[in-house]
Amino acid sequence: NAGVMQNPRHLVRRRGQEARLRCSPMKGHSHVYWYRQLPEEGLKFMVYLQKENIIDESGMPKERFSAEFPKEGPSILRIQQVVRGDSAAYFCASSPDELLIGKQYFGPGTRLTVT
Amino acid sequence: QKEVEQNSGPLSVPEGAIASLNCTYSDRGSQSFFWYRQYSGKSPELIMFIYSNGDKEDGRFTAQLNKASQYVSLLIRDSQPSDSATYLCAVILSGSARQLTFGSGTQLTVLP
Repeated sequence: NAGVMQNPRHLVRRRGQEARLRCSPMKGHSHVYWYRQLPEEGLKFMVYLQKENIIDESGMPKERFSAEFPKEGPSILRIQQVVRGDSAAYFCASSPDELLIGKQYFGPGTRLTVT
Repeated sequence: QKEVEQNSGPLSVPEGAIASLNCTYSDRGSQSFFWYRQYSGKSPELIMFIYSNGDKEDGRFTAQLNKASQYVSLLIRDSQPSDSATYLCAVILSGSARQLTFGSGTQLTVLP
């Protein structure tokens, strides 16, 4: 019973490049959440998606960041023209039902380093 | 004022003692509260949730909720070195019902 999968686990990008982070939710889960965690800080909500729909993107920066969860395939968090301040751990989580928003299963995270 | 606040710690307790972790929240209308544990370099995992005032026990863990005072706490009895981790309080705020809002976490160290 595979858990939430994220890849890559570590990603290094130069300033100005694009970063693509992938997340496959747990089997049977159709609700995906993305979080960013800076060193020594808590998790900051970015976006909540269901298949083919963005439900809540209130935590997503208005520029350079986008997310999708297509009908087929993993959810993608895309960061264009990365800057040093984007360096962080990005976690994806999933839940089986919108009524179980608080009971989320987290993936191992992608550590993004911008040089 | 942060929406969800926790003492960052570090909090150190001896093995076998009770560890008490506290969390306050600003939104009086919040209804759902969660405790996640995060080991260093790992992802968070849910350990407790509570919706009603009072205590909820699960093994060595007890979650306590006081909505009037807007705080939620986590007690860990008979603390073990393996409990050493960062504990994150999370709340579903009434104004943001489709997301979890996390505190910054309390780092707990259990000394053998």
